[in-house]
Amino acid sequence: AQSVTQLDSQVPVFEEAPVELRCNYSSSVSVYLFWYVQYPNQGLQLLLKYLSGSTLVESINGFEAEFNKSQTSFHLRKPSVHISDTAEYFCAVSYTSGGYQKVTFGTGTKLQVIP
Amino acid sequence: NAGVTQTPKFQVLKTGQSMTLQCAQDMNHNSMYWYRQDPGMGLRLIYYSASEGTTDKGEVPNGYNVSRLNKREFSLRLESAAPSQTSVYFCASSLTGAKNIQYFGAGTRLSVL
Repeated sequence: AQSVTQLDSQVPVFEEAPVELRCNYSSSVSVYLFWYVQYPNQGLQLLLKYLSGSTLVESINGFEAEFNKSQTSFHLRKPSVHISDTAEYFCAVSYTSGGYQKVTFGTGTKLQVIP
Repeated sequence: NAGVTQTPKFQVLKTGQSMTLQCAQDMNHNSMYWYRQDPGMGLRLIYYSASEGTTDKGEVPNGYNVSRLNKREFSLRLESAAPSQTSVYFCASSLTGAKNIQYFGAGTRLSVL
């Protein structure tokens, strides 16, 4: 079975400070890794993904995540956060099961940026 | 581009009432999903449909039924609503294959009294 652990349910951080949101996963099959972001009263949308190649992936708004196979982690970082980054962030693993795509989501981390 | 459209956005039901949540996507995706989101529990898969004409149970299917009406539409039905089904429901769609992104609707906020 596949599982995703986001140990931090809430992370408060001051504006312009750096932040790291942690994600660890467990899987018995090959998976692809995703971070989704959910702004208040909206659905989830993709932030970034790791499929293969360079283990460091970046988003267009300054977030980055590094895939670490040995530690089974995919932590999300941003060197300087903005008020607009206030949202809930979900780590997810995607895999094929029975010929179909399955996605397991973590429980989410709420990032609260303090002015 | 509309993407994934869910209706209604809000709904209040009494215990025992029934309702259908509608979902439609305009991206020609084969796969569609229904999730529920509860505080501290992330998203849990209720049902999914890998292609038109097929549906399968997810992690929490009890109390729900689905219909994949055509390639665009995937509805979720609560036959006899219970307070435990108070939640936010999200529909999503994707192309076939584990590498693909899931695209989400804006959600339906359901309260069962």
